[in-house]
Amino acid sequence: EAEVAQSPRYKITEKSQAVAFWCDPISGHATLYWYRQILGQGPELLVQFQDESVVDDSQLPKDRFSAERLKGVDSTLKIQPAELGDSAMYLCASSLAASYNEQFFGPGTRLTVL
Amino acid sequence: GENVEQHPSTLSVQEGDSAVIKCTYSDSASNYFPWYKQELGKGPQLIIDIRSNVGEKKDQRIAVTLNKTAKHFSLHITETQPEDSAVYFCAARTTGGGNKLTFGTGTQLKVEL
Repeated sequence: EAEVAQSPRYKITEKSQAVAFWCDPISGHATLYWYRQILGQGPELLVQFQDESVVDDSQLPKDRFSAERLKGVDSTLKIQPAELGDSAMYLCASSLAASYNEQFFGPGTRLTVL
Repeated sequence: GENVEQHPSTLSVQEGDSAVIKCTYSDSASNYFPWYKQELGKGPQLIIDIRSNVGEKKDQRIAVTLNKTAKHFSLHITETQPEDSAVYFCAARTTGGGNKLTFGTGTQLKVEL
């Protein structure tokens, strides 16, 4: 069964350092999402891609976060510099297209900022 | 924007009993309501969903009901089993929102033997 892949699964970093997360969506899925999930809360959308284009990044803290999906397949989310409040689970999801309802989630990257 | 509230935050039931989790949403334009199950250390997994033109949907031991007038929807799990123990999230999608989902805050369900 096809799955969304993410790496690394866990990342510990010190504040002010740069971190990057990688996501490989299910093959053929045009829409890719990055979510942030703070402990005890539901996922919150950071950025949505349709192929290589950003559709929604209204909740992305653009002063320190960046995301790209250069060839419309895999994607990278970067934080620079990391802050203590960035500690969270970062989830990637994909769907066949924006108009399709079901989003498939990856296992996430657990980030701890010390 | 859309706001989704979910209750209760924790729920403990005996094996074999039923569990009910309730959510309310604020945007009457929302048209799709999925429920996700998240086990420890894993990403959320879709377990059931319902569209706004349907009032109820059932899949084996799991059912979801939707009341558009009251803007609330519920997850019902019957004959609970220990493997049902997990965190459950409801979500809502607004028309024209590019498939953007707004999630509730989650319910920790514990099924005790």
